Amino acid sequence: RKEVEQDPGPFNVPEGATVAFNCTYSNSASQSFFWYRQDCRKEPKLLMSVYSSGNEDGRFTAQLNRASQYISLLIRDSKLSDSATYLCVVNDYGGSQGNLIFGKGTKLSVKP
Amino acid sequence: DGGITQSPKYLFRKEGQNVTLSCEQNLNHDAMYWYRQDPGQGLRLIYYSQIVNDFQKGDIAEGYSVSREKKESFPLTVTSAQKNPTAFYLCASHSGGLNTGELFFGEGSRLTVL
Repeated sequence: RKEVEQDPGPFNVPEGATVAFNCTYSNSASQSFFWYRQDCRKEPKLLMSVYSSGNEDGRFTAQLNRASQYISLLIRDSKLSDSATYLCVVNDYGGSQGNLIFGKGTKLSVKP
Repeated sequence: DGGITQSPKYLFRKEGQNVTLSCEQNLNHDAMYWYRQDPGQGLRLIYYSQIVNDFQKGDIAEGYSVSREKKESFPLTVTSAQKNPTAFYLCASHSGGLNTGELFFGEGSRLTVL
C-alpha cells in the first residue's frame, strides 16, 4: 500500500522560532507534492506546492528530496496564527487516477 | 464568490437510516471528490468523479453511493451498510490534472450516528 508518513507532533514552539516538518512517501513514481494547512475542525487549504528545485513563499520554504523520498516544510519566525495541522499530500501516480494520498498531518502549536 | 458548498454542516442520524450529503460547486471544475476524515487520521478517498455521469470508487467506497448527473453537483449517500459512519466528510473539486493546481474543499459535513 502506498503511504505518506508524517510525525504527528505536536510541535510546541515559541513565537519567532523556526520549525521544520518532514514527510516521507513510498511511491517513487509520485510526481506532485503539496503542503496543505488544516485548522481545527475546518477544511484543508493549499499552503504551497513543492517543486523539484524547492520553493519559498514568505516565511515558508518547501523542499523535495526524490532520492530519499521525502519532502520538508520550514517555517521561519513562527506566528501564533501558524498554529494548525500541516498535511503532506502526494499524488498516487500509477495508482487510482485522480487520487491524492494525504498524510495524517503534523500538529503545530505556536505559543506566546 | 466561486466555491464549494456542502450541506448540512452538522447532521445526526439514527442507526439504519440513509443520509445524503450535498456538494455543489460553481467553479466550473470537472473533477469532484469525497473524502472522509476521522480524528487523528488522514483524509481517505471515498469516491471521485472526473466527468459528468462517471465516477470511480476510492479506497473506502463500501457503504457509500454517489451520483454525478450535473457538473456542479456530486451528492454522497451514506447508507445503512456503512458500519462506522460517524466522521467529518469533505467534498473537493479540481479543474484538471492533479499534477498542478490545487484541490478546493468545501467546509465539510460532520455526521454523527446516534
